[in-house]
Formats: sequence, C-alpha cells, structure tokens
Amino acid sequence: ETGVTQSPTHLIKTRGQQVTLRCSSQSGHNTVSWYQQALGQGPQFIFQYYREEENGRGNFPPRFSGLQFPNYSSELNVNALELDDSALYLCASSLGGAGEAFFGQGTRLTVV
Amino acid sequence: ELKVEQNPLFLSMQEGKNYTIYCNYSTTSDRLYWYRQDPGKSLESLFVLLSNGAVKQEGRLMASLDTKARLSTLHITAAVHDLSATYFCAVAPYGGATNKLIFGTGTLLAVQP
Repeated sequence: ETGVTQSPTHLIKTRGQQVTLRCSSQSGHNTVSWYQQALGQGPQFIFQYYREEENGRGNFPPRFSGLQFPNYSSELNVNALELDDSALYLCASSLGGAGEAFFGQGTRLTVV
Repeated sequence: ELKVEQNPLFLSMQEGKNYTIYCNYSTTSDRLYWYRQDPGKSLESLFVLLSNGAVKQEGRLMASLDTKARLSTLHITAAVHDLSATYFCAVAPYGGATNKLIFGTGTLLAVQP
C-alpha cells in the first residue's frame, strides 16, 4: 500500500508567478484535502476534492484552485503568487469526505 | 465558527517527567485528532477520538476526550527525548461531510536529558 506522495518537495517562485503542486492519494482513497501551513502555525484548510468535485472550501481567495483526476490524484494551483503564500502545503487523502486523513510529506513553497 | 485552542504553546520537560497538553474547542464536534510534527516534516497521525469518554494510549502517550467540556488532553508519561516535536490537535465540525479540520496552534515539546 503506497502512502500519500507530493511533488515537488521544495519550490521557489517569484511574486506574481503561478505554481502547481501535485498530490497522489493513498491507495484506495478517493478524497484529497489541501492545507496551508505557515511557519509556526497550524495547518489551515484550503479545500477538499471528492470524486473530482470540490467538496468544501476554507477562507482562501479564488486564485487558489484545484483539480482532482479520475485516478484521485490532485493538483493545487495558485495564481498571482504573493509573499504571504510562502508556506508548507500539505495534501491529505481519505476514504470519503469525512474519513481519517493521512498526510503527505508536503511541498515547501517560498515566494521571493 | 469553530475555534481550537491548545495550551501550553511551548513545553520544556525533563526526561522522566509527566505532563499534559490541553485542547479546547468552541463548538460541538464528533471527531478529534492528535498529530505529531517533526521540524520541516509532515503530520503523523497519533490518535482519533470519536466519542465522549474515549481514551486511547500508545506507548508513553495517552489521549482522552470529554465532549461535554469540549476538551481533549494528551498526557505524556515519563517523557523521553524522542518525544520532542510539535503536537497538534485538530477538530472536525459536528456532522461535517468533509475533512475541514480546524487545527490548534500547536504545542512545541522539548524534552531535555
């Protein structure tokens, strides 16, 4: 059984650019949630995808968008990057929207 | 709006000592999780607590849930250096159909030899 994997592990972008982060869910899981964790803080829920549809969203602007593919993997896209977007982005997969979430290793995004 | 508070924010302990981390949440919930995070790493699931009075233990860690008081505790027994990490509690809104977990601020635990 494979766990949740994310790519890339580290990324540096310039303010105003766009970025795509990727997540492969754990085998058998059909739901992916994305979280943003700023330094020294707890993770904050961005959104969740269940069966390729957005299924709940946190307090993040529309420039944060996502996709889920038929194999349940997912992408997080952030447009018009701002310095405050620098954070660890965590992906979690689960079986069903309310199932126990298992987290990937995260992508560290630095915006300069 | 569901809010989650943890205390203390920072805990320095000596090896062999006992201590408790507290997690309070503001509205009804039916699921509470405890996670461990090492520096620069992801979240490792420790416990899932689903009902009032639930108690779970793994090694030197024991978690409990009191839904009436909206309080969960993570008790550390005879701390060892390997337990040094940041511990988060996370709460799911009651009846929610998503994993929109609301995390506490975290407790940074430093176990000194």
